[in-house]
Amino acid sequence: QQQVKQSPQSLIVQKGGISIINCAYENTAFDYFPWYQQFPGKGPALLIAIRPDVSEKKEGRFTISFNKSAKQFSLHIMDSQPGDSATYFCAASREGGTSYGKLTFGQGTILTVHP
Amino acid sequence: EAGVTQFPSHSVIEKGQTVTLRCDPISGHDNLYWYRRVMGKEIKFLLHFVKESKQDESGMPNNRFLAERTGGTYSTLKVQPAELEDSGVYFCASSQATGVGELFFGEGSRLTVL
Repeated sequence: QQQVKQSPQSLIVQKGGISIINCAYENTAFDYFPWYQQFPGKGPALLIAIRPDVSEKKEGRFTISFNKSAKQFSLHIMDSQPGDSATYFCAASREGGTSYGKLTFGQGTILTVHP
Repeated sequence: EAGVTQFPSHSVIEKGQTVTLRCDPISGHDNLYWYRRVMGKEIKFLLHFVKESKQDESGMPNNRFLAERTGGTYSTLKVQPAELEDSGVYFCASSQATGVGELFFGEGSRLTVL
């Protein structure tokens, strides 16, 4: 049973456009929602994370929107650049205690940004 | 500061053989995690060490998988005997404190079982 569903599986965007990746979770005990970025041949790296006490978090061109009632969260990449081309994973876990690092990942989205 | 390092980067073995993957976490990180991504699927949690103790091994697929972290430093993940469905990328991650903070992932060990 997949507890975090991610869409789309792949996304092609023109340079300067907005990339949007969506995730939905089932476990209401989750209270930490990170996004990871992975380049080919590299490991996933933390991009940005949100906790359910806020509905939006922005870091540069990257924004997470969070809807607790709908159990959904999304990543928006503004002014997408070719260097943003990577695989993006959403994840969820229970913050605090020993379950924090036990991340439940979505299936990943391959983002391609054309010049 | 060195990141999480994993060895080997790629291993190709025959079904029934044994493979041992190694992970060196960031120095001083007490928490070490193993994850696995099977082709096209999500990255799945395997287990969590706090120092040398197994905190959570609920994600280990079966008893063909054995993880150790002797001395609380590096960790090994042994698959014996390997099956076709064990193919995938095995990631190791570490973090400094339990319950908070960023997980740092290694580049992964790709395992191909023929």
